[in-house]
Amino acid sequence: SQKIEQNSEALNIQEGKTATLTCNYTNYSPAYLQWYRQDPGRGPVFLLLIRENEKEKRKERLKVTFDTTLKQSLFHITASQPADSATYLCALDEGTGTYKYIFGTGTRLKVLA
Amino acid sequence: DSGVTQTPKHLITATGQRVTLRCSPRSGDLSVYWYQQSLDQGLQFLIQYYNGEERAKGNILERFSAQQFPDLHSELNLSSLELGDSALYFCASSGGAGANVLTFGAGSRLTVL
Repeated sequence: SQKIEQNSEALNIQEGKTATLTCNYTNYSPAYLQWYRQDPGRGPVFLLLIRENEKEKRKERLKVTFDTTLKQSLFHITASQPADSATYLCALDEGTGTYKYIFGTGTRLKVLA
Repeated sequence: DSGVTQTPKHLITATGQRVTLRCSPRSGDLSVYWYQQSLDQGLQFLIQYYNGEERAKGNILERFSAQQFPDLHSELNLSSLELGDSALYFCASSGGAGANVLTFGAGSRLTVL
């Protein structure tokens, strides 16, 4: 079955720098992949969705790339701010038509002032 | 406020007991998803309903059951509770069977003593 791998180690970066988070999946390439933000004790919040035919998607300071050859998505936050500190989750459906949206364990980002 | 309402927010109960968690989806959304998030663990997909019908099932324990009612609200029933069932339970909704962005509620925190 499909598995998602995100770096479980926390990522600490200085304010103003670009944070880059990685999401790798193991099996078939999904039609789209999503990124969510989760703050402690709260529900995840949708950030961006990228489709398999899109190489890159941007929204304000956020950028997502999708490489189906590498089975990888990269999530970038430019000009990072302390308010960006949170856990970022990658999500995709487990298999075509299954409607099971599975999530990675997330990468905790801490932006240092 | 995401528009997805979960009750109760917090619940403390004893082993062996049964609880019911309730979710009202965002207005207009037909699909409801249930996830479990234990301490330091990722979101585990439990089950999905679309317009009252079960659509996808994850590794949901036999002690757990769910349903979606005609008014589209959903309930997750957890019985014969064990210490390991202590977790945050999230409900999410989306616009339709093929819609792919999940809107999460604030979660129900269950503590089993």
